[in-house]
Amino acid sequence: ETGVTQTPRHLVMGMTNKKSLKCEQHLGHNAMYWYKQSAKKPLELMFVYSLEERVENNSVPSRFSPECPNSSHLFLHLHTLQPEDSALYLCASSQEGAETQYFGPGTRLLVL
Amino acid sequence: QKEVEQNSGPLSVPEGAIASLNCTYSDRGSQSFFWYRQYSGKSPELIMSIYSNGDKEDGRFTAQLNKASQYVSLLIRDSQPSDSATYLCAVTKGGGGNKLTFGTGTQLKVEL
Repeated sequence: ETGVTQTPRHLVMGMTNKKSLKCEQHLGHNAMYWYKQSAKKPLELMFVYSLEERVENNSVPSRFSPECPNSSHLFLHLHTLQPEDSALYLCASSQEGAETQYFGPGTRLLVL
Repeated sequence: QKEVEQNSGPLSVPEGAIASLNCTYSDRGSQSFFWYRQYSGKSPELIMSIYSNGDKEDGRFTAQLNKASQYVSLLIRDSQPSDSATYLCAVTKGGGGNKLTFGTGTQLKVEL
């Protein structure tokens, strides 16, 4: 695999479910990001991990919980989501200090 | 005021014409500027970055930056139907770092 991969690509979940999104980067980067993309809205930065430490949490509700076990893997744990959380969730990576970010294909999430 | 503002479009241009996409930003201390292309249902793909005033050319693409006017643009020469996509403008906030702020994007349609 090359670049940034994300699984699953599509996810439908009920409001009481718990699920996790996975991101893996094969670029040797050491910074990883979660973004949310909703219709008609700009990409919203949710979390930033740099050198495996969380350095940014953009006022994201606690029903979203990130985890970065190593520099290649990033997870987003989801629980008791709301229908308005339905969106495309994008993972990206970069070198720490570099501004060019490379995006994964995204997970299309639908919360019923 | 939105931090990064783009006209949502759609912008329609005939094949072979020049497409001009515009973006304004509110943070005068913004340091770096990026154009991403996003095809429908796909993730954003970096196509241009620009850091200093003036023009930067890469193939059919030219990015233009005017920091005094807080304005960045993307010109696509000899537009092709394959250029039809949404173009996202992104900037890093003043103070540097790698936190991108995105606009909502401009949808470009290149017509035969």
